[in-house]
Amino acid sequence: DTGVSQDPRHKITKRGQNVTFRCDPISEHNRLYWYRQTLGQGPEFLTYFQNEAQLEKSRLLSDRFSAERPKGSFSTLEIQRTEQGDSAMYLCASSFAGGPEQYFGPGTRLTVT
Amino acid sequence: DQQVKQNSPSLSVQEGRISILNCDYTNSMFDYFLWYKKYPAEGPTFLISISSIKDKNEDGRFTVFLNKSAKHLSLHIVPSQPGDSAVYFCAATTSNTGNQFYFGTGTSLTVIP
Repeated sequence: DTGVSQDPRHKITKRGQNVTFRCDPISEHNRLYWYRQTLGQGPEFLTYFQNEAQLEKSRLLSDRFSAERPKGSFSTLEIQRTEQGDSAMYLCASSFAGGPEQYFGPGTRLTVT
Repeated sequence: DQQVKQNSPSLSVQEGRISILNCDYTNSMFDYFLWYKKYPAEGPTFLISISSIKDKNEDGRFTVFLNKSAKHLSLHIVPSQPGDSAVYFCAATTSNTGNQFYFGTGTSLTVIP
């Protein structure tokens, strides 16, 4: 296992379109996190899963955002009716439950035109 | 509300000298702190962490110091190397939940050969 992977690495979409990103965590990690990072800012927490259960969502995660982790392995983050303000780097991270160190993927850079 | 702050956006240091990166936090409930390093086009990489029961943790050239009374932590890199040039983020969490991490805005370190 080489680490956390994310697909696609880059996505350009037109405003109003839906987009979906995928994250494959380190296989033995049961926690999975989604973050958003904009220019000049640190990663901002969006949501996290323990196994397949989504345990917490940030108020940053509007109704247009939905995340799933159906079998406790990979996760998807969908953004519906994208807006220009959604343009950002979307980062996925995984960890062991009870272990605070998170391991990040390379991110998906979304550009909404 | 920025609960973790890195007030220096950038820092330049000569190779071989000490780099000191600073981080302040406001939430007294935070009891676990981490430093991440980020190269362009990559996700953040875990570097070193410290629990609030300690005031110092060392790993090779990297040492993190925690001053709980001042709500301040710092990362020391000695000696600095050109490969250390990256953006450094500090992050904080409450270990009894371990689910939401708060990141600073990052400090861009340049080590000049």
